[in-house]
Amino acid sequence: QVQLVESGGGVVQPGGSLTLSCAASGFTFSHYGLNWIRQSPGKGLEWVAVIRHDGSKQYYRESVQGRFTISRDNSNNTLYLHMNNLRTEDTALYYCVAFYGDYYGHWGQGALVSVSS
Amino acid sequence: EVELTQSPATLSLSPGDRAVLSCRAGQSVSTSLAWYQQRPGLPPRLLIYDASKRAPGIPARFSGTGSGTDFTLTISSLEPEDFAVYYCQQRSSGPPTFGQGTKVDIK
Repeated sequence: QVQLVESGGGVVQPGGSLTLSCAASGFTFSHYGLNWIRQSPGKGLEWVAVIRHDGSKQYYRESVQGRFTISRDNSNNTLYLHMNNLRTEDTALYYCVAFYGDYYGHWGQGALVSVSS
Repeated sequence: EVELTQSPATLSLSPGDRAVLSCRAGQSVSTSLAWYQQRPGLPPRLLIYDASKRAPGIPARFSGTGSGTDFTLTISSLEPEDFAVYYCQQRSSGPPTFGQGTKVDIK
């Protein structure tokens, strides 16, 4: 059974940094591309970033390009999202999501990030 | 970015009713469209992918149709656990995008 457990959320001031982690189990981690998707009341569901199964390529939504970095450790079955220069509009629940084919088949419970002064 | 517009925003129905939800894309997405269900306090759950294929474990009362710009999710007979918010999502071009959701609530 696929399990994805996010951690590392919290409250941070604008301009600050935060790193989210996602511990995975129940599947062959190194075979799957992984995503971060966020959800906020104002903007709904937004895809944030994706990383290939082997970590060779990463893609980002435009608004986080240059500020966020997605990475993975296939030896420890862990996905990361390093977030720098955070803005108030980054406030959201961040989900770690594994693909089912080309779609978002497996979701964690989410980590809450609040950017506020 | 491909914009997805869902209608109606809210659908008030009773258990046993048929629910028909719409998703319209701002440009053609072929059949590269999925539907998700989100119950309160839980993450979204994949229901339908490639416009009409049911994900594993999804009951047959859920069906998806459409291609190009117009898509429909139909729930043939609402069960109590089906009252939730439903989102469409496209992966055809540009960054993946989601619709704003349709809430199916109890009349």
